[in-house]
Amino acid sequence: SAVISQKPSRDICQRGTSLTIQCQVDSQVTMMFWYRQQPGQSLTLIATANQGSEATYESGFVIDKFPISRPNLTFSTLTVSNMSPEDSSIYLCSAPRGGSTDTQYFGPGTRLTVL
Amino acid sequence: ILNVEQSPQSLHVQEGDSTNFTCSFPSSNFYALHWYRWETAKSPEALFVMTLNGDEKKKGRISATLNTKEGYSYLYIKGSQPEDSATYLCAPLDTDKLIFGTGTRLQVFP
Repeated sequence: SAVISQKPSRDICQRGTSLTIQCQVDSQVTMMFWYRQQPGQSLTLIATANQGSEATYESGFVIDKFPISRPNLTFSTLTVSNMSPEDSSIYLCSAPRGGSTDTQYFGPGTRLTVL
Repeated sequence: ILNVEQSPQSLHVQEGDSTNFTCSFPSSNFYALHWYRWETAKSPEALFVMTLNGDEKKKGRISATLNTKEGYSYLYIKGSQPEDSATYLCAPLDTDKLIFGTGTRLQVFP
C-alpha cells in the first residue's frame, strides 16, 4: 500500500497571502489528485495532477487560484493563492494504488484556516 | 457531475448496536463504487471497492452490498464499537475520478 505524507499538517494564514502544500508518495504513481473539504461539505476534487503535463482542473477551480506542480512521479504541490476566509478547508492529496479505478490512498490532510 | 447522496447525515448508537447507512448514486454509466472511513485528523481509509451488481464485501464487522441497477449501496456495521466512530464516505467512480458523498458521521457511545 502507498504511504502519502503532506506538509504542513495545519496552518493559519492571513487573507491575501498564499500557501503551498506539499504531497509526497512513497512510490511512483501516474496520477495524483487534490481534494478540498470545506466545513460541512463533501470532499470535492480540485484537480488531477499528471506528471509531464498540466493539471486538469474541475469546474469551479482555476489554475490562477490553485496552481499545481508535478515535477516527478512521487511529488506534487498545490498552492492556494490570494487566500480568503472561504478557502478555509482541509486539503488532501491522493493517489490510486494501481490504475485510476483502483483503491485511492490519501494523505493525512492539511487543515487551513484563513483569517 | 454525479449526484451522490448519503443518509443519514449522522448517527449516534450505543456500543453493541448494529447499524447501516445508504449511498445513492446515478445507475447509468456505472464503473465502480468506493467506500471510505475517515477518522478525525487521520487519512481517509479505503474499505471497499465494489464493481459488480449484487456484490457483497466484508471486512471484519463491516460489510457492504451493491445494487447498480437501482443505484444504491448499503454499508453495515455489526456490533458497533467506539473505535468505529468516524465519517463513512461513498464515492462512485465517474470515468477516472471519484465523486464523494457528504458522508455519514457515526458516533458510537460506550
